[in-house]
Formats: sequence, structure tokens, C-alpha cells
Amino acid sequence: DAGVIQSPRHEVTEMGQEVTLRCKPISGHDYLFWYRQTMMRGLELLIYFNNNVPIDDSGMPEDRFSAKMPNASFSTLKIQPSEPRDSAVYFCASSFGTGTYEQYFGPGTRLTVT
Amino acid sequence: KQEVTQIPAALSVPEGENLVLNCSFTDSAIYNLQWFRQDPGKGLTSLLLIQSSQREQTSGRLNASLDKSSGRSTLYIAASQPGDSATYLCAVEGSARQLTFGSGTQLTVLP
Repeated sequence: DAGVIQSPRHEVTEMGQEVTLRCKPISGHDYLFWYRQTMMRGLELLIYFNNNVPIDDSGMPEDRFSAKMPNASFSTLKIQPSEPRDSAVYFCASSFGTGTYEQYFGPGTRLTVT
Repeated sequence: KQEVTQIPAALSVPEGENLVLNCSFTDSAIYNLQWFRQDPGKGLTSLLLIQSSQREQTSGRLNASLDKSSGRSTLYIAASQPGDSATYLCAVEGSARQLTFGSGTQLTVLP
């Protein structure tokens, strides 16, 4: 398996624009997680899905952020409208089951909002 | 709310030294604890996962221990090499299936 795939790897956009980040989890994994990493706050969980259903979105910072998982092999994280403070590295991760299994991380998308 | 602390924030050692990285967490009700490695500009690579019922896990030159009751874990790296230079992150998984991360220890192994 190619691991968790994220696109784009880098995104530069202007304030107010819509940004869509994409993730393909490892085949067969039933959990998918979106994280954000900044120097100030470290790694934070934004939202996670189990069997394509959002379970906990309490980490989503504002209504400007939304995430979907239309099928087991694809998820999107959308920011609309984007703001400079959204600049960060966004990671997607996936895993099997609960408790026993490691989370596997994608390479991340580095977002810069000017 | 779970809080994870890693000490030290940065560590520089000469090649060949054995070293210990520390992680502490405030809520002992965890399912597991994971140690990750992050290279600059890259994603996270899982190194070891210790389930809550386990005391330690080993992989090659790495050994991780867990003392759940005291809220502590250590990552022991034997015979360190320059290629071990990276940021090491500790994360605990709680009942809500969420990983809470520490801020990491930036390790530099000098040749």
C-alpha cells in the first residue's frame, strides 16, 4: 500500500479564497483523522470519521471549516473563506479499529494564506 | 482534559550515546501511548505503540516504557546515530479515540 496520500502538498492562497485539502486513507482502515500542526499550538485533532461517519468535530475551529468523507477511500477538508491564521500543516491519518492499532499519517499539506 | 508534556524540549548528544526522552500525561485513562518521529518538513512516522495493559515495547535500538498509574512514558534510544536526529512526539489515545500530542523533543545527534 502507498500509505496515506494527501494533496496538494503545498497550497498558497489569498485571504478569502476557498481551500480544499484531500486525503486518501490506507485501504481497509475504518478510521480517518484530520490534524493541524502549528508552531504555537503543536498538533491538534480537528475531526475524525469512523466508517465514513463524522464522530467528533469538536476540534474544528470555526464554521469556516468543514470536512466530508463521501466514501471509504476519500476525504476532504474545506476552509471557506480562508484567513492568514489558518496557515499551518494539515495532516490526515488513518487506522484500524480502536485502541490497539497505530495511526498512520500522510505527508501533510502545507497551507499558506496571504 | 488530557495534557501531555515532553521533557526536554531539545537535546543534543554525541554519536554513540544512549539517551532517554520523557513523556508525562495527566489522565491515566488511556487506551495506548504512541511514540512518533517527525523529520523536518515531513509527516509523522509511528515508532512504537504501547497498549494500556503493557509495560514496554521494543523495536531495534528503541525501547519504550509505560507507567500508566504515574502517567509517565520513556523512550530509550541505544547507541544513537546522526540519522536519529529528528523531533520525537509522544501521543496518548483516550476513550474518545483521540490522540493528544506532546510538543515534542528535538533531538540532534552529532557525528
